[in-house]
Amino acid sequence: ILNVEQSPQSLHVQEGDSTNFTCSFPSSNFYALHWYRWETAKSPEALFVMTLNGDEKKKGRISATLNTKEGYSYLYIKGSQPEDSATYLCAFSQITGANNLFFGTGTRLTVIP
Amino acid sequence: ETGVTQTPRHLVMGMTNKKSLKCEQHLGHNAMYWYKQSAKKPLELMFVYNFKEQTENNSVPSRFSPECPNSSHLFLHLHTLQPEDSALYLCASSLGGPSEQYFGPGTRLTVT
Repeated sequence: ILNVEQSPQSLHVQEGDSTNFTCSFPSSNFYALHWYRWETAKSPEALFVMTLNGDEKKKGRISATLNTKEGYSYLYIKGSQPEDSATYLCAFSQITGANNLFFGTGTRLTVIP
Repeated sequence: ETGVTQTPRHLVMGMTNKKSLKCEQHLGHNAMYWYKQSAKKPLELMFVYNFKEQTENNSVPSRFSPECPNSSHLFLHLHTLQPEDSALYLCASSLGGPSEQYFGPGTRLTVT
């Protein structure tokens, strides 16, 4: 089992604040890095899949960057809204097992109105 | 609504029971997965099927037995489980490779 670390574990921000989280993963044999959003009582929902060093992806107010050489990814949320409250999971896979995702424990975000 | 359904949503079973979890997707995906989420632990991959063939088995005890009769359906057969097997079991599907996975809502399993 390969270690994926996410920080912080939990975070409270005021509505309108911008925030970011970190995902650290082993840099060897890298294949892909995934970000998912998991709202309470719902299914995890894919946000981004990134494969190339330097990749940057954006979906509305949420964006992510990837550094495969040093083994980290950042997720940014601009102007947080209460509906952004969820647990954000990252997962990575290696060349030897592209379908085999190793997940972190997530960052739980609460946006206070 | 992700297009992946799971039944039942909740299940309570004794250690001597046999039960099955069902997962279904009609997204045209060829890879299907079973994950386990225990309290305060990361999502843990249990099994992977590609085109109905099992390609990953992450050292899962034999009391969990997967079955994939076709690309749209995936089962997890359970027998003689232990209380520590109580967890949320999630099914997912994808096109395979680095593509995003679509998750079902999960089955909350309690073993008494």
